[in-house]
Amino acid sequence: SQQGEEDPQALSIQEGENATMNCSYKTSINNLQWYRQNSGRGLVHLILIRSNEREKHSGRLRVTLDTSKKSSSLLITASRAADTASYFCATGSYSSASKIIFGSGTRLSIRP
Amino acid sequence: NAGVTQTPKFQVLKTGQSMTLQCAQDMNHEYMSWYRQDPGMGLRLIHYSVGAGITDQGEVPNGYNVSRSTTEDFPLRLLSAAPSQTSVYFCASSQYVLKTGTPDEKLFFGSGTQLSVL
Repeated sequence: SQQGEEDPQALSIQEGENATMNCSYKTSINNLQWYRQNSGRGLVHLILIRSNEREKHSGRLRVTLDTSKKSSSLLITASRAADTASYFCATGSYSSASKIIFGSGTRLSIRP
Repeated sequence: NAGVTQTPKFQVLKTGQSMTLQCAQDMNHEYMSWYRQDPGMGLRLIHYSVGAGITDQGEVPNGYNVSRSTTEDFPLRLLSAAPSQTSVYFCASSQYVLKTGTPDEKLFFGSGTQLSVL
């Protein structure tokens, strides 16, 4: 079974609105990453947050991590049409012995 | 730098055939991995390697073999292709932090190989 599960599975919002995606995981981690995948393409790294961090920003992206709840959220502010893509969380942990495990993803659609 | 290069981009096989998907990176990354992505799903880890001569199994290793004779290359071999192996395959690499025992940096992905097994 996959380590991370994203919620919601699909999200459709109006351009300019904020998009929030959530990721829950099962085992202790030492870092969590978010990736974007445009249709038919490879994955592109967005942001990495370590287990001792609670929040991180990169441009219009804000990631939070709550290790007590084993969850993370990705917020994209002021969405644009180009943000239409699938978003995946991925976790790395000592217990998984160097495995980076991906969640099932959130498909984000931005309506013009 | 080319980054992570995967070949071929597309491949059609018949059931029972064998083939090798190639992956090469020029970033001197110790960590390399193979994932498969089925339609509408996330990525599942097949095999990974933390350095030359070292490989280990991921979530879905059955039907696949890997080897790591050099830092740059990490080929994935399908021994006897089955229709269930129809998927898009991604190779990824990262720096590896020995003291934490994890790839502690972002993964760089290849552009993928779309494989169909008839």
